[in-house]
Amino acid sequence: GAVVSQHPSWVICKSGTSVKIECRSLDFQATTMFWYRQFPKQSLMLMATSNEGSKATYEQGVEKDKFLINHASLTLSTLTVTSAHPEDSSFYICSARDQGDEAFFGQGTRLTVV
Amino acid sequence: QKEVEQNSGPLSVPEGAIASLNCTYSDRGSQSFFWYRQYSGKSPELIMFIYSNGDKEDGRFTAQLNKASQYVSLLIRDSQPSDSATYLCAVAPFSGGYNKLIFGAGTRLAVHP
Repeated sequence: GAVVSQHPSWVICKSGTSVKIECRSLDFQATTMFWYRQFPKQSLMLMATSNEGSKATYEQGVEKDKFLINHASLTLSTLTVTSAHPEDSSFYICSARDQGDEAFFGQGTRLTVV
Repeated sequence: QKEVEQNSGPLSVPEGAIASLNCTYSDRGSQSFFWYRQYSGKSPELIMFIYSNGDKEDGRFTAQLNKASQYVSLLIRDSQPSDSATYLCAVAPFSGGYNKLIFGAGTRLAVHP
């Protein structure tokens, strides 16, 4: 299957700083990528749909100015958590779908804000 | 009402038994249905997808879909301790590559020796 690489796999940052997470599709082009957040013992919650060359589509309740998404190429989408706070600590996962229906997930990024 | 509902579990089964995981969804127009397995601290990995009513088998796994009842299930035969994980049901409103998946909360499965 296709490969989606996410980096970093974990990050610890100080409150008030910004963190950038990268999501790359390694062997296919992804015009659309998805960013999810998962708190402990909870399901994946879709945050936004990242569209190559255009603005991301955010789900209700997700602050677009806090979670900046850039999808500058067909193989790369980035999520920047700005002015991070402890409540932003979570597991962030990206996914991409190729021509078919299967969604391929990145490895996830464990963000801890201290 | 949540869009995709699953019993959170834990569902505990002995090794070698059949584990039955259930999922209901609210959008009657949903087209594609997926089962993912997620180990603690890891990303989900796809087990199976199903589009049509009926059963679909792949090795020890069987997915069952009943669109009239808005119900999809996953059966795991000959359960192994390594099957212990959280199983996520996901639904896509339309077929095709560019649609978001809506996930259920997941069912935690524990297979004991």
